[in-house]
Amino acid sequence: DVKVTQSSRYLVKRTGEKVFLECVQDMDHENMFWYRQDPGLGLRLIYFSYDVKMKEKGDIPEGYSVSREKKERFSLILESASTNQTSMYLCASTPRAAGKDTQYFGPGTRLTVL
Amino acid sequence: QKEVEQDPGPLSVPEGAIVSLNCTYSNSAFQYFMWYRQYSRKGPELLMYTYSSGNKEDGRFTAQVDKSSKYISLFIRDSQPSDSATYLCAMNSGGSNYKLTFGKGTLLTVNP
Repeated sequence: DVKVTQSSRYLVKRTGEKVFLECVQDMDHENMFWYRQDPGLGLRLIYFSYDVKMKEKGDIPEGYSVSREKKERFSLILESASTNQTSMYLCASTPRAAGKDTQYFGPGTRLTVL
Repeated sequence: QKEVEQDPGPLSVPEGAIVSLNCTYSNSAFQYFMWYRQYSRKGPELLMYTYSSGNKEDGRFTAQVDKSSKYISLFIRDSQPSDSATYLCAMNSGGSNYKLTFGKGTLLTVNP
């Protein structure tokens, strides 16, 4: 079974703090994604990565950055957390193979910024 | 027009009912279609995956794709309280495009 793990289930941070969210997958997938999920807005793509050290902006990258130094690990960084970044953050991965576009999700990190 | 439209519900049904969940889309290039189930405070899990038009059945679940109408459906037979969750449709055009376009999800409650 594919396993995608996220470093924290719940996180509370203060405005202005630097926040690191970590995601690890154990299936040697090339592609990894970070989403945020908010009521009424659905899943929105923040950043994704096709390979180590590769990254591309998604639909809402402002206020976020990412790091992919190893294939299995994809980190989301909030440089200076703000209250409007309170959300559920979901990491996903998928292999780079034709017809294998399904994404496998982690359990999510519920981040509250006070 | 949004790329993928999904009625957010909420949808409430009695146990044993047949449930129909639907999405419409506008991008005719989409050819891979997925349904995810998301329990409260958990990540989405893949439920069904279909390629192009047609039906796919897995136990009590049937996924249906009608590309000519740009319409996909998920049917749940003999619904159970454990089916209570948010159901998300997702799709993409395949090839080197690995990004999925998601619907906003339909919240389903199955009452015992």
